[in-house]
Amino acid sequence: SQTIHQWPATLVQPVGSPLSLECTVEGTSNPNLYWYRQAAGRGLQLLFYSVGIGQISSEVPQNLSASRPQDRQFILSSKKLLLSDSGFYLCACSKPGQFNYGYTFGSGTRLTVV
Amino acid sequence: GQQLNQSPQSMFIQEGEDVSMNCTSSSIFNTWLWYKQDPGEGPVLLIALYKAGELTSNGRLTAQFGITRKDSFLNISASIPSDVGIYFCAGTIYDNTDKLIFGTGTRLQVFP
Repeated sequence: SQTIHQWPATLVQPVGSPLSLECTVEGTSNPNLYWYRQAAGRGLQLLFYSVGIGQISSEVPQNLSASRPQDRQFILSSKKLLLSDSGFYLCACSKPGQFNYGYTFGSGTRLTVV
Repeated sequence: GQQLNQSPQSMFIQEGEDVSMNCTSSSIFNTWLWYKQDPGEGPVLLIALYKAGELTSNGRLTAQFGITRKDSFLNISASIPSDVGIYFCAGTIYDNTDKLIFGTGTRLQVFP
């Protein structure tokens, strides 16, 4: 089975500062990887997804970027955070070609931009 | 893009009551999944459905894949306080992407 490690769990950052959130996967090779953002009490907004190293699809134009430097590593970044970047960020994965069996989610990072 | 309409948006019930929520779409779905998100955690898969008309149970939870393939239902019987959380439906369509489509979520509160 797959396991996702996501860190940090909580982050408070000033406006204009950079961001780097990391997600790593165990238990499967060449996973599909996803970054979601969730506003307080709201639904899941897909930000980026990747089907392989260096392959990133962006879903929403924004202040964020994603990279996949290794097969099981997915990084969410920003050069300058905005107040509107606050939220709960979730990394998820699925086995290649088996996304219809569902995603495994990480435990999330709660980002507060102040 | 595709959206799944999930209702109700929120529910406030007493412990012991049964709960029903549903998810609808204008498109035909091939898979329906139901997730639960505990406060401050990532969603966890509860039930997966793969055939129209399929009815699947997981303890006190029962979910159905609608016969039209455009909807799905989740029922929780005899609710308990730990049922509190956000329930998301999700599904797949034939669109040549490896992405699930998520519903907007149903927030459940259970009072003792």
